[in-house]
Amino acid sequence: DGGITQSPKYLFRKEGQNVTLSCEQNLNHDAMYWYRQDPGQGLRLIYYSQIVNDFQKGDIAEGYSVSREKKESFPLTVTSAQKNPTAFYLCASSIGPPSELFFGEGSRLTVL
Amino acid sequence: AQTVTQSQPEMSVQEAETVTLSCTYDTSESDYYLFWYKQPPSRQMILVIRQEAYKQQNATENRFSVNFQKAAKSFSLKISDSQLGDAAMYFCAYRRLTSGTYKYIFGTGTRLKVLA
Repeated sequence: DGGITQSPKYLFRKEGQNVTLSCEQNLNHDAMYWYRQDPGQGLRLIYYSQIVNDFQKGDIAEGYSVSREKKESFPLTVTSAQKNPTAFYLCASSIGPPSELFFGEGSRLTVL
Repeated sequence: AQTVTQSQPEMSVQEAETVTLSCTYDTSESDYYLFWYKQPPSRQMILVIRQEAYKQQNATENRFSVNFQKAAKSFSLKISDSQLGDAAMYFCAYRRLTSGTYKYIFGTGTRLKVLA
């Protein structure tokens, strides 16, 4: 079945450590996205990529980094520069207009 | 910049009754898409319904329908014959039609409780 796989589902890290969240899709979608979800704030865009080897900052990119070396993969690194990294992270993809977003199941990151 | 506002943080509905969730948006564009997503306790985001702004007819998917008022920039979701499985967070989202930007903008969500 086609879909988006995020791993790990739950992750605990100590403060000051970098963390990489994986996102893989087999939908052959060009565009991929990372969103952060906090209670009462909806989904906020961290980074997005419209094509391989290209990506753009979203609204809250500070303290995060991404790469898009393959069409299927869009990993997100939460760096030690991110001041409040504890959150639920959602990866999504789309084929382009007028397509909706297809989401993974999310990754819950807790920084101790 | 485009914004999406959901003014109801939480709503409740009795099972089998009808409920309407509100969404307003701000844009200077004339062509765009609007979406409603459902996020159940599993946290998997699921598309409920989609509306193209150039279509005057309101979208419908089984028990889910929208009231799209383009001039008022309003996009409400009506759930008929509510079921316990409808309990979830509901997010309204906006996307420009034109290529060159693939940004989707989400509201803050409405938590829907369904009472047995």
